[in-house]
Amino acid sequence: DGGITQSPKYLFRKEGQNVTLSCEQNLNHDAMYWYRQDPGQGLRLIYYSQIVNDFQKGDIAEGYSVSREKKESFPLTVTSAQKNPTAFYLCASADGSSYNSPLHFGNGTRLTVT
Amino acid sequence: KNQVEQSPQSLIILEGKNCTLQCNYTVSPFSNLRWYKQDTGRGPVSLTIMTFSENTKSNGRYTATLDADTKQSSLHITASQLSDSASYICVVTWNTGNQFYFGTGTSLTVIP
Repeated sequence: DGGITQSPKYLFRKEGQNVTLSCEQNLNHDAMYWYRQDPGQGLRLIYYSQIVNDFQKGDIAEGYSVSREKKESFPLTVTSAQKNPTAFYLCASADGSSYNSPLHFGNGTRLTVT
Repeated sequence: KNQVEQSPQSLIILEGKNCTLQCNYTVSPFSNLRWYKQDTGRGPVSLTIMTFSENTKSNGRYTATLDADTKQSSLHITASQLSDSASYICVVTWNTGNQFYFGTGTSLTVIP
């Protein structure tokens, strides 16, 4: 089945450690996105990529980094510089050829930092 | 400022009843409006997408309406089922189509 796979589903880390969240898609989509979801807030954009080897900062990029070396993969690293990293992280992709194509989301990674 | 506001924040209804969720936006220029369903602990799933020229779009028991003049949309759920319990998120696409504004969602609980 085509879709987006995020792993792991749950992740626990100690404060001060970097951690990388995986996002893989087999939909052949050009555009990929990382969002953060906190209770009572709308999804907030961390980074997005429209094409391989290119990505742009979103609204809350501080403390995060990404890479886009392959079309299928868009990993997100949460660094120790992120002040409040505990959250639900969602990866999404879209067919960039149409403005009206839906965003396809993965099932998220819940990160807890203590 | 581009914003998307949803109401109510939460809603409890009896199984079999209908309900309507609201979405007001100030995003301009507007490309399209989407409704998503998000089950707890899962990613959102697309229900409908409407462009500027569309007033109504249905997906099974879900019917979305759009009034681009007043910048309002609604999602009507008919004959609710327990599996409809989820958060419903309104998303407005800005201008060129690669920037999205998310509402905070309406949490719907359907009880037997």
